[in-house]
Amino acid sequence: GENVEQHPSTLSVQEGDSAVIKCTYSDSASNYFPWYKQELGKGPQLIIDIRSNVGEKKDQRIAVTLNKTAKHFSLHITETQPEDSAVYFCAATSRTGNQFYFGTGTSLTVIP
Amino acid sequence: DTEVTQTPKHLVMGMTNKKSLKCEQHMGHRAMYWYKQKAKKPPELMFVYSYEKLSINESVPSRFSPECPNSSLLNLHLHALQPEDSALYLCASSQGQVLDTEAFFGQGTRLTVV
Repeated sequence: GENVEQHPSTLSVQEGDSAVIKCTYSDSASNYFPWYKQELGKGPQLIIDIRSNVGEKKDQRIAVTLNKTAKHFSLHITETQPEDSAVYFCAATSRTGNQFYFGTGTSLTVIP
Repeated sequence: DTEVTQTPKHLVMGMTNKKSLKCEQHMGHRAMYWYKQKAKKPPELMFVYSYEKLSINESVPSRFSPECPNSSLLNLHLHALQPEDSALYLCASSQGQVLDTEAFFGQGTRLTVV
């Protein structure tokens, strides 16, 4: 099955700085890559996603890039704010497209 | 309405109890999922229902029994659980069987087995 690796596992940044989280995947058939933010005690919430026919997508302070050849994708958060502090999970769809494989998560702390 | 509603939010049960977790969505989604999440870990897939039929069972012990009464509801029946089953149980839904659009997660049920 698909194997998704995510780095770093923890990340601390000063408020206003940028944060970058990277994921790699193993199955070249994966074609949908969502990023989820999970705050303490809550369920994961989709923050941005990208499909395999697109190289980059941006939504205000959040952007995702995808390199299909290298099989990696990254989340970029600019001008970080304390409310960005949470655990972030990347995911990739399975070859059959009927389930996600999640990365191991990145705990982001934004220091005011 | 883009909500997946899970009840109860918290549940404490003994190892001999029988309880059920409930999940509801009104987005017209035809795929629904149960995940188990331990602290500081990613969600682990347990079951997938597609068009009200069980399509994936990730080798989950029989003490967990899913049920999909209709396209909006998903239940997880619990019986004779072990303390190691304590976790956050998440329900999710997506539009179709193929995951190429957003999957929405509920807030989860925090289960403690004593």
